[in-house]
Amino acid sequence: NAGVTQTPKFRILKIGQSMTLQCTQDMNHNYMYWYRQDPGMGLKLIYYSVGAGITDKGEVPNGYNVSRSTTEDFPLRLELAAPSQTSVYFCASSSRGQGDEQYFGPGTRLTVT
Amino acid sequence: KNQVEQSPQSLIILEGKNCTLQCNYTVSPFSNLRWYKQDTGRGPVSLTIMTFSENTKSNGRYTATLDADTKQSSLHITASQLSDSASYICVLGRGTYKYIFGTGTRLKVLA
Repeated sequence: NAGVTQTPKFRILKIGQSMTLQCTQDMNHNYMYWYRQDPGMGLKLIYYSVGAGITDKGEVPNGYNVSRSTTEDFPLRLELAAPSQTSVYFCASSSRGQGDEQYFGPGTRLTVT
Repeated sequence: KNQVEQSPQSLIILEGKNCTLQCNYTVSPFSNLRWYKQDTGRGPVSLTIMTFSENTKSNGRYTATLDADTKQSSLHITASQLSDSASYICVLGRGTYKYIFGTGTRLKVLA
């Protein structure tokens, strides 16, 4: 099993550009999450999904969108990139919620200039 | 104010020495408390998990403790190795999807 994979690993965007961060898991997990990690801060939840076709906002959803058309994939879309979105983005999955172990991808380092 | 505070922010120790990392929380109730290890440039990986009713849990050289009365958890690393150099994150699981992450402690083990 590859676990949780993310692409790309690094990306530099100009202000106002858009992009999609890809996330795929092969563990047949129902729950998937997107977090951002800023220096000196704990991970912040952007969006999460409890199953295909179901998504909901986390703590910091502004400027982002997600979709969940399959169990495996959970892409994160950035529209009109802003410098405040410079961060490291992690995708994670878990079998259920309720404190189940989360499995994290390797992260995408995004810089917006 | 963060609901999960970790200390110290960073720590440097010599290989072979022991160390203890602290996690103070205000979250209540919660399902469980995990310690994650995050290597540089990688995603976090779970080390230990404790429910709110457990006091201690070990995983090899890693031992986590939980004191629900003082709302503190600690992660003790015994006989540190160079590969222990990483960030260690305390995470409280709460509700269906809610995980509350601490800010982490960055550990550097020197030869």
